Amino acid sequence: DAGVTQSPTHLIKTRGQQVTLRCSPKSGHDTVSWYQQALGQGPQFIFQYYEEEERQRGNFPDRFSGHQFPNYSSELNVNALLLGDSALYLCASSLRTGRTDTQYFGPGTRLTVL
Amino acid sequence: LAKTTQPISMDSYEGQEVNITCSHNNIATNDYITWYQQFPSQGPRFIIQGYKTKVTNEVASLFIPADRKSSTLSLPRVSLSDTAVYYCLVGASRSGAGSYQLTFGKGTKLSVIP
Repeated sequence: DAGVTQSPTHLIKTRGQQVTLRCSPKSGHDTVSWYQQALGQGPQFIFQYYEEEERQRGNFPDRFSGHQFPNYSSELNVNALLLGDSALYLCASSLRTGRTDTQYFGPGTRLTVL
Repeated sequence: LAKTTQPISMDSYEGQEVNITCSHNNIATNDYITWYQQFPSQGPRFIIQGYKTKVTNEVASLFIPADRKSSTLSLPRVSLSDTAVYYCLVGASRSGAGSYQLTFGKGTKLSVIP
């Protein structure tokens, strides 16, 4: 049973550039959420996708955008990168019709902005 | 979203039972309690989830008193590999709107000493 996968593992960008991160949900899951985790902090919710639409959004600027594909995989895009965007980006998947919304996380993508 | 309070850090010797208590005074009627474990530079790993009384799986036990204003994660006979950050979250209830966002605090950093 394949778990949540993310790519790439690590990424280095410079200020002002754009980045795309990718996520494949756990087999059987249809909902994907993205989180940002700064060093020493807990993960912070960015947004969630279901049925190829953004359903909920946390307190992040419009520079952060996403997409969900028909196969439930998802992308996170960040434009005009800032130094403060350096973080571990986590993808979590869940099943919308499950009894509870238990989210399972991928290994993350470490983004460094120079 | 209900706020949680947990100790910032705990130390334990190998082989001991560890209990981490989380306070969630304003937990809603439909909220579940979920615990995650996170190792450095990895995504959080789901440990256990419960609604009331006691839940046990192959990894841990979760004790929830009748008023549900707190919960205790119990890890039996910890080993060095249990050194990690443990997060307590409340929510995960199914509503008509579907999924919800996870709100992480700073968690409890457990250090297991040989």
